[in-house]
Amino acid sequence: DAGVIQSPRHEVTEMGQEVTLRCKPISGHNSLFWYRQTMMRGLELLIYFNNNVPIDDSGMPEDRFSAKMPNASFSTLKIQPSEPRDSAVYFCASSLAGTVYGYTFGSGTRLTVV
Amino acid sequence: EDQVTQSPEALRLQEGESSSLNCSYTVSGLRGLFWYRQDPGKGPEFLFTLYSAGEEKEKERLKATLTKKESFLHITAPKPEDSATYLCAVHAIQGAQKLVFGQGTRLTINP
Repeated sequence: DAGVIQSPRHEVTEMGQEVTLRCKPISGHNSLFWYRQTMMRGLELLIYFNNNVPIDDSGMPEDRFSAKMPNASFSTLKIQPSEPRDSAVYFCASSLAGTVYGYTFGSGTRLTVV
Repeated sequence: EDQVTQSPEALRLQEGESSSLNCSYTVSGLRGLFWYRQDPGKGPEFLFTLYSAGEEKEKERLKATLTKKESFLHITAPKPEDSATYLCAVHAIQGAQKLVFGQGTRLTINP
C-alpha cells in the first residue's frame, strides 16, 4: 500500500486566494483526519470523518475552512479566502473505522500564504 | 480539557549517551497514550501505544513507560539516525477518535 497520499506537497499562494488540499487515505481505512501543525500550537485536529460523514469539526478555526469527503478514497480541505496566519503544515491521517489504532499520517502539505 | 506537555523542547546528545524524554498529561480518563516519531518534511510515524500504568514497550533502542501522570521515552545508546522529533499523544475516554498531541521533543544525536 502506498500509504496516505497528500497533494500538493508545497503550496504558495497570495492572501485572499482559495486553496484546496487533497488526501487519499489508505484503502480499507474508513476514518480520515485533517490536522494542522505549527511551531506555536503543535499538531491540532481540525476535523475527522467516519465512513465519509463528518463527525467532529470543532477544530476548524473559522468559516473560511471547509472539508469534504465525497467518497471513501478522497477528501479535500479548502481555505477560502486564505490568510497569512493559515501558513502551516496540513496533515491528513487515516485509521480503521471507529478507532485510533493504525492511525497513519501522510507526508503533509506545507502551505505558505503571502 | 485534555492536555499534554512534553519536555525538554529540544535535547542534544552525543552518540551513545542515554537519556529520557518526558510526557506529562492530564486527561479525564486515559484510553491510550501514543508515541510517534517525526522526521523533517514527513508525517508522524507510530512507535508505541501504552494503555495502563506500569506498562512498558520496547523497540530497538527505545523503551516507553507509563505512569498515571506521565510517560517516558528512554533512549539507550542512541545513534545519529535516532535524531527526530518525538511526539506524545493521548486518547481520552471521552475523546472519541481524537488524539491530543504534545508539542514534541526535538532530539539531535551528534556522532
